[in-house]
Amino acid sequence: KAGVTQTPRYLIKTRGQQVTLSCSPISGHRSVSWYQQTPGQGLQFLFEYFSETQRNKGNFPGRFSGRQFSNSRSEMNVSTLELGDSALYLCASRRTGGPNYGYTFGSGTRLTVV
Amino acid sequence: GQQLNQSPQSMFIQEGEDVSMNCTSSSIFNTWLWYKQEPGEGPVLLIALYKAGELTSNGRLTAQFGITRKDSFLNISASIPSDVGIYFCAGQITSSGSARQLTFGSGTQLTVLP
Repeated sequence: KAGVTQTPRYLIKTRGQQVTLSCSPISGHRSVSWYQQTPGQGLQFLFEYFSETQRNKGNFPGRFSGRQFSNSRSEMNVSTLELGDSALYLCASRRTGGPNYGYTFGSGTRLTVV
Repeated sequence: GQQLNQSPQSMFIQEGEDVSMNCTSSSIFNTWLWYKQEPGEGPVLLIALYKAGELTSNGRLTAQFGITRKDSFLNISASIPSDVGIYFCAGQITSSGSARQLTFGSGTQLTVLP
């Protein structure tokens, strides 16, 4: 069974640009969450999507946005990139229908802003 | 952003030794999770705990959900070189109608010396 697939694995962008990251969840998983991982702040929750609707959002500025498609694939977008946005962005998917289904993480997209 | 207090921050141990790490929070969680992350990869779920007081094992790993719901510990027995990595605790609130975001600890970097 394929895991959570994130593309691209690595990305280098310039300050002020925007970027879109993609996540394909495990087949049958309808909940997708995004996390940012940095050495200073650790793993921070960005947002969660279920059935194409954002269910919750973390404490990040409006430059961070996301969406989910009808096939449960998700994208996140960061506009007007800042140096501090350099991080590993992790996507996690979860099977729904019960409280005890855990999250499976992808390998992440390493974003470097220069 | 909010993080759990995880300790120790790093550990250097001899192969064969036992390891213990813990997490504490000022907030109550009704699920505690332990993940391991290796370089270039996303976190992988090791153990999930769903009830206060629960003690769960997965091979050489044992974790407990604290009675107060504000803490958890992870023990690794008879460490081996492949145990090297960063171990994260994560707390989760699960309730109907609300998104189940994870709040992560800052991680314990484990190094196993031959």
